[in-house]
Amino acid sequence: AQSVTQLGSHVSVSEGALVLLRCNYSSSVPPYLFWYVQYPNQGLQLLLKYTSAATLVKGINGFEAEFKKSETSFHLTKPSAHMSDAAEYFCAVSELGYGNKLVFGAGTILRVKS
Amino acid sequence: DAGVTQSPTHLIKTRGQQVTLRCSPKSGHDTVSWYQQALGQGPQFIFQYYEEEERQRGNFPDRFSGHQFPNYSSELNVNALLLGDSALYLCASSYYGQIVTGELFFGEGSRLTVL
Repeated sequence: AQSVTQLGSHVSVSEGALVLLRCNYSSSVPPYLFWYVQYPNQGLQLLLKYTSAATLVKGINGFEAEFKKSETSFHLTKPSAHMSDAAEYFCAVSELGYGNKLVFGAGTILRVKS
Repeated sequence: DAGVTQSPTHLIKTRGQQVTLRCSPKSGHDTVSWYQQALGQGPQFIFQYYEEEERQRGNFPDRFSGHQFPNYSSELNVNALLLGDSALYLCASSYYGQIVTGELFFGEGSRLTVL
C-alpha cells in the first residue's frame, strides 16, 4: 500500500531563507510523485511532479524537488523564501499514474517571517 | 478555458441529513475523482468516475455515493450525515486516455459543516 509521510506539520522560515519541506513515501512499484500547494480557502495547485526523466524536478514559483530512491524521499526546496510562499504544501504519491488516484501526506504549513 | 468548478462553495447541514455536491470537470476531461479533506489533514480519495461508472473507491462507507452524467459532470451524495463528515470536498478531473501521463486538476472545493 502507498503512503506518504511529511515531517513537520509546521515550518517557519525568514524571508530570503532556504525552504525545505520533507516528504518520504512508501510504494510497492515505481511511484508517481507530486507536490501540491494550497492557499487559504482555495483548491490544490500542482507545484511539480516527478518524471523518470530526471531526479531533480523543477516546478513553478522557483520550487524544486529531488527524487532519492534509496531514501524513498522527495523533499521540496526553494533557495529563497518569499512572503507569497506562505501556504500549505502537500506531498502525494500515485502507483497508477499522474491523472489517477493520489495518496496525500498530512501537509506542512509554511510560514514566512519578514 | 474553464477549470474544474464546484458548487456550492459552502453549506451547513445537521446530523442525519443528506447532501449533494456538484462538480463540472475541466473542458476536455472525462474522468472525475472526489476527495475529502478534513481540517488539518491531507485529502483522502473517495472515488473516481469514468463513463458514468464508479471505477475506483477509497475506504469510505456506502453512505458516500456518486454519479456521473453524460456530460461528464458529477455529483457526490452523502447520506445520514455525521459530525465527522465536516470537511472540504474536492473534485478533481482528468482525461482517462492520459490517466497515466496526464494530470489531475482540482476545483476549489465545497466546504461542508455538519452541526
